[in-house]
Amino acid sequence: DTGVSQNPRHKITKRGQNVTFRCDPISEHNRLYWYRQTLGQGPEFLTYFQNEAQLEKSRLLSDRFSAERPKGSFSTLEIQRTEQGDSAMYLCASSLVRTGEVLSNQPQHFGDGTRLSIL
Amino acid sequence: DQQVKQNSPSLSVQEGRISILNCDYTNSMFDYFLWYKKYPAEGPTFLISISSIKDKNEDGRFTVFLNKSAKHLSLHIVPSQPGDSAVYFCAASAGGFKTIFGAGTRLFVKA
Repeated sequence: DTGVSQNPRHKITKRGQNVTFRCDPISEHNRLYWYRQTLGQGPEFLTYFQNEAQLEKSRLLSDRFSAERPKGSFSTLEIQRTEQGDSAMYLCASSLVRTGEVLSNQPQHFGDGTRLSIL
Repeated sequence: DQQVKQNSPSLSVQEGRISILNCDYTNSMFDYFLWYKKYPAEGPTFLISISSIKDKNEDGRFTVFLNKSAKHLSLHIVPSQPGDSAVYFCAASAGGFKTIFGAGTRLFVKA
């Protein structure tokens, strides 16, 4: 299966603990995105990487959240000192953006997400 | 600030008939629009997209229409099948950067 892979699928933790999620994008994709989705809402943009560079972060991403993509391949999203409001589905997506093209729009391909539950 | 709005939380359609899902947006800088389908316990799956330079794009049973003056797009599914029952998200982006999603419309196709 060469799709986007996310681990773990589910994470249950107590308030105040740190959690880390992993995303493995489609191998040739140079862009990687993180989203958060809560019940009844669409995915909300958190941040994205072009290769290893983090190019944009949403104001939703408080200083308790940090994302990395150290070698331009897999990415991790860490939440420190979790709060109950952090309970959500965390989705990762990837896309291939070809440099030099005038139109670089390409659809993003999503993983199945990590569901975080804070007790 | 909801830049992409799907005002119908749900839609019910008889098998074989047309399903029309609607989406409105407010940001005139959006130049790329997408529809995603989502089944329970799975991530969104890309369905069809349209660039702002076009007003229609077709892929099999799925057609997306874009009306830039009205800032409105719609997804037509003809004929609808029970397997189309899912949540459909409208999404938009500007300049190939972050993508903004609507809240989704749950489609029920009755056999």
